[in-house]
Amino acid sequence: SQQGEEDPQALSIQEGENATMNCSYKTSINNLQWYRQNSGRGLVHLILIRSNEREKHSGRLRVTLDTSKKSSSLLITASRAADTASYFCATDPYNTDKLIFGTGTRLQVFP
Amino acid sequence: EAGVVQSPRYKIIEKKQPVAFWCNPISGHNTLYWYLQNLGQGPELLIRYENEEAVDDSQLPKDRFSAERLKGVDSTLKIQPAELGDSAVYLCASSSGLAGDYEQYFGPGTRLTVT
Repeated sequence: SQQGEEDPQALSIQEGENATMNCSYKTSINNLQWYRQNSGRGLVHLILIRSNEREKHSGRLRVTLDTSKKSSSLLITASRAADTASYFCATDPYNTDKLIFGTGTRLQVFP
Repeated sequence: EAGVVQSPRYKIIEKKQPVAFWCNPISGHNTLYWYLQNLGQGPELLIRYENEEAVDDSQLPKDRFSAERLKGVDSTLKIQPAELGDSAVYLCASSSGLAGDYEQYFGPGTRLTVT
């Protein structure tokens, strides 16, 4: 079963624009992670945000977490064609010691 | 540092045949995971190992799937017999600690097609 659900399912933008994707989940969590998957590099970890954090940055990535709404967002600023990939949120629910991946957002960045 | 290695990358078999996938995790990573990923979906955990012990195999269909991690390093996932619905990508991942606290490093996956 998949706890996380990303929105939108698909997103197309031009290079230089910002891309925002959202993740909603169902149960209380310890942490939330974002991963990227493309055909060239497989599934790669992007960022981890803990339940007591509200925002985190890594390069052009900005992640927010709202535990009261059980939601997270990933913002990619100044997007590049190389950002074209599927993006997944993965939650670590209480007392499970496992990551549960969402359904993903497919991002297409046009040059 | 070498990443997670999986083989084969692709496998095509007929239904009812057996198939095995192999994974070598990142050196020093005690935690190893096998995931199944269907087209257009996120990975779903099949089994998690801490060293050589399977600590979470609740999602593994044990009537046809088996896994082992001898000596707490390499791991093999087997399906016998394969069914059409097993067609998917099988991903192996490893981490240096418990699932949620640490990032997981994924291999390239094995794309299985059952005909």
